[in-house]
Amino acid sequence: EPEVTQTPSHQVTQMGQEVILRCVPISNHLYFYWYRQILGQKVEFLVSFYNNEISEKSEIFDDQFSVERPDGSNFTLKIRSTKLEDSAMYFCASSLDAGELFFGEGSRLTVL
Amino acid sequence: ELKVEQNPLFLSMQEGKNYTIYCNYSTTSDRLYWYRQDPGKSLESLFVLLSNGAVKQEGRLMASLDTKARLSTLHITAAVHDLSATYFCAVALFNNDMRFGAGTRLTVKP
Repeated sequence: EPEVTQTPSHQVTQMGQEVILRCVPISNHLYFYWYRQILGQKVEFLVSFYNNEISEKSEIFDDQFSVERPDGSNFTLKIRSTKLEDSAMYFCASSLDAGELFFGEGSRLTVL
Repeated sequence: ELKVEQNPLFLSMQEGKNYTIYCNYSTTSDRLYWYRQDPGKSLESLFVLLSNGAVKQEGRLMASLDTKARLSTLHITAAVHDLSATYFCAVALFNNDMRFGAGTRLTVKP
């Protein structure tokens, strides 16, 4: 069964460092998303991406964040200068149309 | 801004009992989703509700949607320990983005 895959599963970084989280969405899907979940809290929308551009972003998704689909298969989230409060589980999701989102297993980011 | 409210946030049940989780949302939407999350795991899709009056059932879980009341329910019948998890409802906006409720942490005790 097709699935969304994410790497790394866990990354530890120092505050101020750049981090890139990678996602391979389901191959025929057209809509891509990043969500994050701070430990034990709600799932928060970060950004949606369609047709090679951002379609919507939340207040959380400030200038420190960027997304890219560099090669038609990967979908990346970059955090330029990490802060302690960026520590969270980051989930990538993809969707074929206006229907169901399929989530990856998540990448846990720990900022020290 | 879309707000999605779930209640209760914490639910402790005895095995064999029934209970309902509620999900209210603040703006018009025609799509509502229920997800299950086990600790440290990803979000597993349970139900997709696409129209007013939609009702779906899978095992001991049944979900319904009332778009006029902006309310969805997730009903648990004869709970078993394996159902212990956090359950999220999520409401889709017309641009296909989703907003999640805070989650209901369900614990089913023997």
